Amino acid sequence: DAGVTQSPTHLIKTRGQHVTLRCSPISGHKSVSWYQQVLGQGPQFIFQYYEKEERGRGNFPDRFSGHQFPNYSSELNVNALLLGDSALYLCASSLKAGGAKSTDTQYFGPGTRLTVL
Amino acid sequence: AQKITQTQPGMFVQEKEAVTLDCTYDTSDPSYGLFWYKQPSSGEMIFLIYQGSYDQQNATEGRYSLNFQKARKSANLVISASQLGDSAMYFCAMREDSSYKLIFGSGTRLLVRP
Repeated sequence: DAGVTQSPTHLIKTRGQHVTLRCSPISGHKSVSWYQQVLGQGPQFIFQYYEKEERGRGNFPDRFSGHQFPNYSSELNVNALLLGDSALYLCASSLKAGGAKSTDTQYFGPGTRLTVL
Repeated sequence: AQKITQTQPGMFVQEKEAVTLDCTYDTSDPSYGLFWYKQPSSGEMIFLIYQGSYDQQNATEGRYSLNFQKARKSANLVISASQLGDSAMYFCAMREDSSYKLIFGSGTRLLVRP
């Protein structure tokens, strides 16, 4: 079975531009969570989508937005890019949304490495 | 407040020996799960092992075991018979049952020496 897939692998943008990152969850998983990992730190939760609705959000500005499609794949959009947005963006899929038992493990994709110049 | 602390920025271990990576956590929720992930230099976060707060026994998955001490709020990862391929960053994480998000520690970089 295919794991979580993300595209693109790498991306270089300039300040002020907009970027869209894509994620396909494991087959049968309905929940997609996005995390930002800055170099040298652990991942930080951005938001989670379940059944096409945003179900939870971390401490990120409105420049970060997302979408979940009927096939449960998801997009992360970042507007007005800043230098500080340079990071590895990780997508994770799970069977259910948060609020489910913590046994619902999140499985991560390979990430998209975004560089903002 | 939810928090994960990993106090070992870096660790060395000799090939074929066992190593323990430390993790302490803080939460006021009685129901939660603890996770360990491995992150090689490629960047992908690989799930290793899970421990639920109500589990009576320590979790084990192959060469990985979790030393769960609930009263001390610690969830240390033990890797037995280390292999060169175990060299990576290791992250401890927690999710409260009432929450959507995984909270990660700052990670421990493990280097296995031949």
